[in-house]
Amino acid sequence: GIQVEQSPPDLILQEGANSTLRCNFSDSVNNLQWFHQNPWGQLINLFYIPSGTKQNGRLSATTVATERYSLLYISSSQTTDSGVYFCAVERYNAGNMLTFGGGTRLMVKP
Amino acid sequence: DGGITQSPKYLFRKEGQNVTLSCEQNLNHDAMYWYRQDPGQGLRLIYYSQIVNDFQKGDIAEGYSVSREKKESFPLTVTSAQKNPTAFYLCASSIQAGVGPQHFGDGTRLSIL
Repeated sequence: GIQVEQSPPDLILQEGANSTLRCNFSDSVNNLQWFHQNPWGQLINLFYIPSGTKQNGRLSATTVATERYSLLYISSSQTTDSGVYFCAVERYNAGNMLTFGGGTRLMVKP
Repeated sequence: DGGITQSPKYLFRKEGQNVTLSCEQNLNHDAMYWYRQDPGQGLRLIYYSQIVNDFQKGDIAEGYSVSREKKESFPLTVTSAQKNPTAFYLCASSIQAGVGPQHFGDGTRLSIL
């Protein structure tokens, strides 16, 4: 099956710093989503991004489908950005099911 | 407000007991999904349904069962055959399978007594 790898697995930032999270996937996909899971377990959809670049406030994402990777940029990080960031890909020919990466655990210190 | 409601938030299961987790959505979405999350791990797909009265197994369906009798409801039963049911269970929906983002409920934490 398809493999989804995220890096780094853990990240500690000082408030105000910028960061880049990476998601690599092993096969062609129909689509890609980025999620943020807060400390209470709630999973929030950040981006639905099959290709190209999207921005939402301090967050932006870029997917290069031909090279099988996606990047999530966090600028001017805040303590509320802490949590786990997941990348998930939608597989072709498999009912378009999502396969999740292992996540990047982010802690932003004040 | 439109959204996905999962209940209960916490559930305890005795040995040999079946338990059912509820998932209701009022987003008028056709597709619904159940995921399992173990501590420190990503999510894994248990079952999904593209339309009423139809559902398909995901990657880890053994020991689970589902039904989809109504568009808005997709309950998950954790049977006694699931030997390691302790996990965080998340339900999601999307407009159609493969169309648009998946939106998630707040989850149910299941533990063994």
